Amino acid sequence: KAGVTQTPRYLIKTRGQQVTLSCSPISGHRSVSWYQQTPGQGLQFLFEYFSETQRNKGNFPGRFSGRQFSNSRSEMNVSTLELGDSALYLCASRSWTSGITDTQYFGPGTRLTVL
Amino acid sequence: KQEVTQIPAALSVPEGENLVLNCSFTDSAIYNLQWFRQDPGKGLTSLLLIQSSQREQTSGRLNASLDKSSGRSTLYIAASQPGDSATYLCAGHTGANSKLTFGKGITLSVRP
Repeated sequence: KAGVTQTPRYLIKTRGQQVTLSCSPISGHRSVSWYQQTPGQGLQFLFEYFSETQRNKGNFPGRFSGRQFSNSRSEMNVSTLELGDSALYLCASRSWTSGITDTQYFGPGTRLTVL
Repeated sequence: KQEVTQIPAALSVPEGENLVLNCSFTDSAIYNLQWFRQDPGKGLTSLLLIQSSQREQTSGRLNASLDKSSGRSTLYIAASQPGDSATYLCAGHTGANSKLTFGKGITLSVRP
């Protein structure tokens, strides 16, 4: 089985722009979660989608949004970029056959740099 | 609110040494605890998942334990190799949502 894939792998944007990141989960996985990783804050949960519905959301401003499509692929959007949004954005998927106790599998991440 | 702590932040050992990485958490109502490995600039690789009903899990040279009552988990690495050099993160699942709460990680360096 192919793993979790994320595109693009690297992005450079300027302040005020918006960006869309994409995540394709492992085939058969129905849940997709997004995390932000920075040197100072570590890994922080952004949100999770299951069956095209947002199940849970972390403590991030409304500039961060996401969605999930019927094929379980997910996109994350950040509007009005700020310098502090520079980070590695990681996507994780799981099957949900055993609910929240399933292992989460992470993709390679998208490295976003905001200038 | 669950908080996960990993101390020390960095560790350097000679090749062949057996070592233990520690992880502590504040909320014992934990569903499961997962250990990950992260190589520089890369994503996370899942190493072991321990359910709340389990005490330990093993995979090759790795053994992870979970003690909910003391709020601790350990990752034991036997006969360490330079290829084990990476950052090791633990993360706990608490509550009826899918959010993982991560520690800051331990950066391990295994010297040849």
